[in-house]
Amino acid sequence: GNSVTQMEGPVTLSEEAFLTINCTYTATGYPSLFWYVQYPGEGLQLLLKATKADDKGSNKGFEATYRKETTSFHLEKGSVQVSDSAVYFCALSASRSSGDKLTFGTGTRLAVRP
Amino acid sequence: KAGVTQTPRYLIKTRGQQVTLSCSPISGHRSVSWYQQTPGQGLQFLFEYFSETQRNKGNFPGRFSGRQFSNSRSEMNVSTLELGDSALYLCASSPPSLGLGPYEQYFGPGTRLTVT
Repeated sequence: GNSVTQMEGPVTLSEEAFLTINCTYTATGYPSLFWYVQYPGEGLQLLLKATKADDKGSNKGFEATYRKETTSFHLEKGSVQVSDSAVYFCALSASRSSGDKLTFGTGTRLAVRP
Repeated sequence: KAGVTQTPRYLIKTRGQQVTLSCSPISGHRSVSWYQQTPGQGLQFLFEYFSETQRNKGNFPGRFSGRQFSNSRSEMNVSTLELGDSALYLCASSPPSLGLGPYEQYFGPGTRLTVT
């Protein structure tokens, strides 16, 4: 079946540090890949997405590239801010013909210190 | 455009009772999915509805059920509540299909269910 593996957290960084959160996946076919962010007490917000190999998703300074050869979709940001403190989820959706089910990783908590 | 709304936001129930949660998708979205989020199991898919039909189902017992109405609003029901059903229940909707590629889902704020 489909699965997503994320690096364990928590990740603690100082403001303006470089961020990488690793994500690898297992899926049949050609899934779409997503990063979602969850702030305390809230639902999930879509951060970025990529729908095919070598696509780069980007939003709010965050980037992730769909690497089919390594089945990875690592999240990066060049300079984190305190406001980026949240839980980040990597997810995949295998095929719309089988519905819109998302398979999530376990989430990585990020804490950014001033 | 209004986002996905869920009611109620918080709920406290007693073991053995049943509960109904409601979700209104973004206007124009016809697919609604439900997820359970717990600290131990993370985010788990419950089921998905499209045009009033269940299109996909996760690995949850039959106590968990759902339905979708003609206006795309959805409800999920949990009968005979157990302590382990305490969780954040998230609803998400997807835009109408313009092709075969999977589309992103937009999530509501969730309903926090506590079973005592």
